[in-house]
Amino acid sequence: EDQVTQSPEALRLQEGESSSLNCSYTVSGLRGLFWYRQDPGKGPEFLFTLYSAGEEKEKERLKATLTKKESFLHITAPKPEDSATYLCAVQKRGGATNKLIFGTGTLLAVQP
Amino acid sequence: DGGITQSPKYLFRKEGQNVTLSCEQNLNHDAMYWYRQDPGQGLRLIYYSQIVNDFQKGDIAEGYSVSREKKESFPLTVTSAQKNPTAFYLCASSRWADHSGANVLTFGAGSRLTVL
Repeated sequence: EDQVTQSPEALRLQEGESSSLNCSYTVSGLRGLFWYRQDPGKGPEFLFTLYSAGEEKEKERLKATLTKKESFLHITAPKPEDSATYLCAVQKRGGATNKLIFGTGTLLAVQP
Repeated sequence: DGGITQSPKYLFRKEGQNVTLSCEQNLNHDAMYWYRQDPGQGLRLIYYSQIVNDFQKGDIAEGYSVSREKKESFPLTVTSAQKNPTAFYLCASSRWADHSGANVLTFGAGSRLTVL
């Protein structure tokens, strides 16, 4: 069964305390893995797409990496404005739906 | 600026009433989607549309209906047949696929529906 699991469910960091969020996936052929950021009461905002194992992408304090079974979102020296829910989603190869399978997200709180 | 506009942001409904959520995009995207978000669950696909006058059921289409008469618009009707309609509804759009076939979605700000 296709599945996306994110951990931890919630994470509290002090400002400047680096950490990583995990997204484990099981799909029969990966077309792309996506990271989104969602602020309370708002729609998700696109961060990264990763296509193949070994790929890395960076944006400010965020760095996303991909292996054949999981992806990590590394947050370096976070600031309070990085507080949000981070969503991971995968798109599998084949089929006509282009459907994304979403994880339940990691709620990140960065305290000053 | 290009984007997706959802309205209303908050909506209250009495049991037995149908309600329609609006979604308009000016990104010239071909595909549009409706997702439902509940606490502790991942986003779940309700309906999607690849082109005008065509749409497909997602994973949880029961109790919902859509139309796609214009490229820019994809309204969602939550009918009285939907047993548990209280949720946060998200509309999204995309080019059908990028150079690698992946599907980057752009989301609207969401509509929160509460059944009284």
